[in-house]
Amino acid sequence: DTGVSQDPRHKITKRGQNVTFRCDPISEHNRLYWYRQTLGQGPEFLTYFQNEAQLEKSRLLSDRFSAERPKGSFSTLEIQRTEQGDSAMYLCASSLAGTGTELFFGEGSRLTVL
Amino acid sequence: AQSVTQLDSQVPVFEEAPVELRCNYSSSVSVYLFWYVQYPNQGLQLLLKYLSGSTLVKGINGFEAEFNKSQTSFHLRKPSVHISDTAEYFCAVRGTGGFKTIFGAGTRLFVKA
Repeated sequence: DTGVSQDPRHKITKRGQNVTFRCDPISEHNRLYWYRQTLGQGPEFLTYFQNEAQLEKSRLLSDRFSAERPKGSFSTLEIQRTEQGDSAMYLCASSLAGTGTELFFGEGSRLTVL
Repeated sequence: AQSVTQLDSQVPVFEEAPVELRCNYSSSVSVYLFWYVQYPNQGLQLLLKYLSGSTLVKGINGFEAEFNKSQTSFHLRKPSVHISDTAEYFCAVRGTGGFKTIFGAGTRLFVKA
């Protein structure tokens, strides 16, 4: 068990470019979450997968954001036509199904849009 | 829907002093409650959680929290802090029938020598 891993850890891009983040959850976890964290704030929920199915997407996510989890394993979060307001830490977490289970977080992918 | 309010954005405290980090939540349904800690340049990790039963919950590193349903609070306490406890602490809530965990804005604990 190597924990939740995220790649890249840091990404600097110019406004208007597309970026993609990858998350590899703990192998036996079938739930996967994406959160966004900005300075001085707690993690904000973006989206949730149960296996390969995306069951909820926050209204925070505009049409420029898309997430996938093919085959219920790793997940990708893509941001198209990035804007300066997209600059944040993007956190991935996974958990077992069932009640009361806690989230296991990766170290995050920090996005800076110039 | 649920929400979480962490009443203090920053808490400075001297080493070996006691500390309490305050958390209030709002929910129309029964909830599970969590405290997570984020050390510098690390991911969030679970400190403790309340699911049911005893309202006093003990976690890692000597932390404990008490669930108070009437006051909708889940305050985190430690009787004697160490320099190594310097970190950001997040209170979180999830409805018992749900999957979405909602986080507070965090409290930065700064332990001074």
